[in-house]
Amino acid sequence: GAVVSQHPSWVICKSGTSVKIECRSLDFQATTMFWYRQFPKQSLMLMATSNEGSKATYEQGVEKDKFLINHASLTLSTLTVTSAHPEDSSFYICSARGSGVGGGTDTQYFGPGTRLTVL
Amino acid sequence: GQNIDQPTEMTATEGAIVQINCTYQTSGFNGLFWYQQHAGEAPTFLSYNVLDGLEEKGRFSSFLSRSKGYSYLLLKELQMKDSASYLCAVYKAAGNKLTFGGGTRVLVKP
Repeated sequence: GAVVSQHPSWVICKSGTSVKIECRSLDFQATTMFWYRQFPKQSLMLMATSNEGSKATYEQGVEKDKFLINHASLTLSTLTVTSAHPEDSSFYICSARGSGVGGGTDTQYFGPGTRLTVL
Repeated sequence: GQNIDQPTEMTATEGAIVQINCTYQTSGFNGLFWYQQHAGEAPTFLSYNVLDGLEEKGRFSSFLSRSKGYSYLLLKELQMKDSASYLCAVYKAAGNKLTFGGGTRVLVKP
């Protein structure tokens, strides 16, 4: 149980375009989803937290107009990187928390990540 | 704020034991997670400690001392596939989020 998928796995885009990344909890209902960014050889940095049906809470320094998060259902959250630039190139990872999974309601389960390269 | 420290790198031999320490100073604390992350992949859940003491799960064990702000992950009978980064993360219910340490890269040599 507790499978989280992300799509796409990797994406290359031109500077100025927008990229949408999907995160789905496949076998449980995710009451909360999280978006992280990870640069090479660094740890995960939380970007934002979203609860289904409400606006996301962004961490300090993360531009909410640039990183649009939608958590439309208990199994799907999307992150859209708008007007992407080379400095946005990173590994984006979502995670989900919910009830009815073995690790308990506090445990976050991570998706496989999306590697974004902006040319 | 939160401050979470763990060593940057450790090297050990196949079959040996390695202990990865994590110290934290936080304004709130509800539990501590350990995750394993192979290069280019997402973290996978290893353990979650809420109460003081040692929790054992096969070759991996995790210990927590809340009063000392200290945890460790113990890896026994090391295998080559254990070469990965190990992340400790503090969970704070108020704010509903995990804060990760910098991660410890473990290299297992034959």
